[in-house]
Amino acid sequence: EPEVTQTPSHQVTQMGQEVILRCVPISNHLYFYWYRQILGQKVEFLVSFYNNEISEKSEIFDDQFSVERPDGSNFTLKIRSTKLEDSAMYFCASSGLRDTGEAFFGQGTRLTVV
Amino acid sequence: QKEVEQDPGPLSVPEGAIVSLNCTYSNSAFQYFMWYRQYSRKGPELLMYTYSSGNKEDGRFTAQVDKSSKYISLFIRDSQPSDSATYLCAIGNQAGTALIFGKGTTLSVSS
Repeated sequence: EPEVTQTPSHQVTQMGQEVILRCVPISNHLYFYWYRQILGQKVEFLVSFYNNEISEKSEIFDDQFSVERPDGSNFTLKIRSTKLEDSAMYFCASSGLRDTGEAFFGQGTRLTVV
Repeated sequence: QKEVEQDPGPLSVPEGAIVSLNCTYSNSAFQYFMWYRQYSRKGPELLMYTYSSGNKEDGRFTAQVDKSSKYISLFIRDSQPSDSATYLCAIGNQAGTALIFGKGTTLSVSS
């Protein structure tokens, strides 16, 4: 069964360092998303991406964050200068059909900023 | 007012029980309603997806949406210990826009 894959599963980084989280969405999907979940809290929307551009972003997705689809399969989230409060699970998701919101999630990258 | 409210539980039931999980939401514009299951430190797994009002059944799971009351439910029949997880409701509009999640209800099914 097709699935969203994310790498790495766990990343530890020092405060102020740049990190890139990587995702391979389901191959025929059109829409790509990043969400995050701080331990014990809700899953929160960060950004959605369609047709090589951001279609929606939340207040969390400030100038420190960027997304890219560098080739036909990968989708990345970059955090330029990590802060302690960026520590969270980051989930990539994708959806295929134009008029639905049905999204399939990857297993997540646990980011720990020390 | 929070957009999606979900009782966090925890909810403990014996094996074989019928489980009812619920969410309320505030924005009547939402059209798509989903239930996800999440195991600890794992990604949300899509269980049920419903468009607009009505019921949808898949095996032991039934999802209900009442748009007039802004209330969504997930029923699990004949619950199993393997159903022990956190259940997240999520609401949304068209593809490419944000899903709004509830905080999740933690369910424990004992054998």
